[in-house]
Amino acid sequence: QVQLVQSGAEVKKPGASVKVSCKASGYTFTGYHIHWVRQAPGQGLEWMGWIIPNSGGTNYAQKFQGRVTMTRDTSTSTVYMELSRLRSDDTAVYYCARGLSIMGTTMFDYWGQGTLVTVSS
Amino acid sequence: EIVLTQSPGTLSLSPGERATLSCRASQSVSSSYLAWYQQKAGQAPRLLIYGASSRATGIPDRFSGSGSGTDFTLTISRLEPEDFAIYFCQLYGNAQYTFGQGTKLEIK
Repeated sequence: QVQLVQSGAEVKKPGASVKVSCKASGYTFTGYHIHWVRQAPGQGLEWMGWIIPNSGGTNYAQKFQGRVTMTRDTSTSTVYMELSRLRSDDTAVYYCARGLSIMGTTMFDYWGQGTLVTVSS
Repeated sequence: EIVLTQSPGTLSLSPGERATLSCRASQSVSSSYLAWYQQKAGQAPRLLIYGASSRATGIPDRFSGSGSGTDFTLTISRLEPEDFAIYFCQLYGNAQYTFGQGTKLEIK
């Protein structure tokens, strides 16, 4: 069965960087984009960007350009999301999600369990 | 940037009742690009509806989606106890993805 398993919770100081991993299994890793979506405490969902596991190509939401880097390791079917220059308002649960493309659009059909990143001095 | 506005913010209903949730886009969009998700406390979202009206794999037929242009609706025909959760609409456009702020469906 399709699974996305993320790394554990992190506590970081303002200005630091965090790198979250997402290991995929149960499907052809290179066949689907992986997206990252975050959710601040008690808030809604915010899309951050995607990575193409096959080529490593990326597309980042404008808000995060310059601060986010998404990479992948095809040998372990793992994608990574690194967010730099952390601020307190980056405190959130970060999710990876598989992008399923149908009818010219993409939706998120499988999600990781989420990784809580807390930014605090 | 297209903004999605969901209403109501909170909907209080009883099991067995019908739920109607709204998602309004700030400009006309293709219905192909509209999806709905359910999120329970402490869990990741789950895809319910894509293309405005197509149910995702394994989603019960009491969930249905409709709409076009700027107005979209998620309907739960007869609420089960496990349906009380937060529901988000989501739009794809210009290689970007936008979510509504969510509607909380709570037990009355």
